Amino acid sequence: KAGVTQTPRYLIKTRGQQVTLSCSPISGHRSVSWYQQTPGQGLQFLFEYFSETQRNKGNFPGRFSGRQFSNSRSEMNVSTLELGDSALYLCASSLGFSGWSSEQFFGPGTRLTVL
Amino acid sequence: GQQVMQIPQYQHVQEGEDFTTYCNSSTTLSNIQWYKQRPGGHPVFLIQLVKSGEVKKQKRLTFQFGEAKKNSSLHITATQTTDVGTYFCAGVISGGSYIPTFGRGTSLIVHP
Repeated sequence: KAGVTQTPRYLIKTRGQQVTLSCSPISGHRSVSWYQQTPGQGLQFLFEYFSETQRNKGNFPGRFSGRQFSNSRSEMNVSTLELGDSALYLCASSLGFSGWSSEQFFGPGTRLTVL
Repeated sequence: GQQVMQIPQYQHVQEGEDFTTYCNSSTTLSNIQWYKQRPGGHPVFLIQLVKSGEVKKQKRLTFQFGEAKKNSSLHITATQTTDVGTYFCAGVISGGSYIPTFGRGTSLIVHP
């Protein structure tokens, strides 16, 4: 069974631009979560989706948004990029209703650099 | 807001020595998960603890969840070079908004 895939793997943008990251969960998984990982703040929860509905959202500004499609694939968007948005963005999928009630499987991440 | 403190930040050990990392929360947790992330890699789920006082073992790894569900530990017996990586805990507040909070991680360096 293929693992969680994320595209693109690397991305360079400039301040003020917007970016869309994609995540394909493991087949059969309906819960998808997104995380931001930086050296300064560590791992932080962005949001979680189940069956196309956002279940939870972390403490991030409205510039960070996401959605989930009927095939469970998910995208996250960051508008008006800031230098501080440079990070590794990780997606994780789980079989259960929530990634926090069952095992989560992480993708390799998208490394975003904002110049 | 909720914080999960994890110590130590770094731990150097000689191969064969034991290793322990600790997580402490300011509030009661519903559950806690542990992850391992190798350098340049992504987090890999190790285990989830839910019950007060729970102890689980995976080969050389022992996980504990405190009686008050505010602290947890991961102990590795007789470390090997393959244990190198950063170990994270992540907890969800009991009765809260179900938003997970991660510890900053403990980076384990094993010297052969």
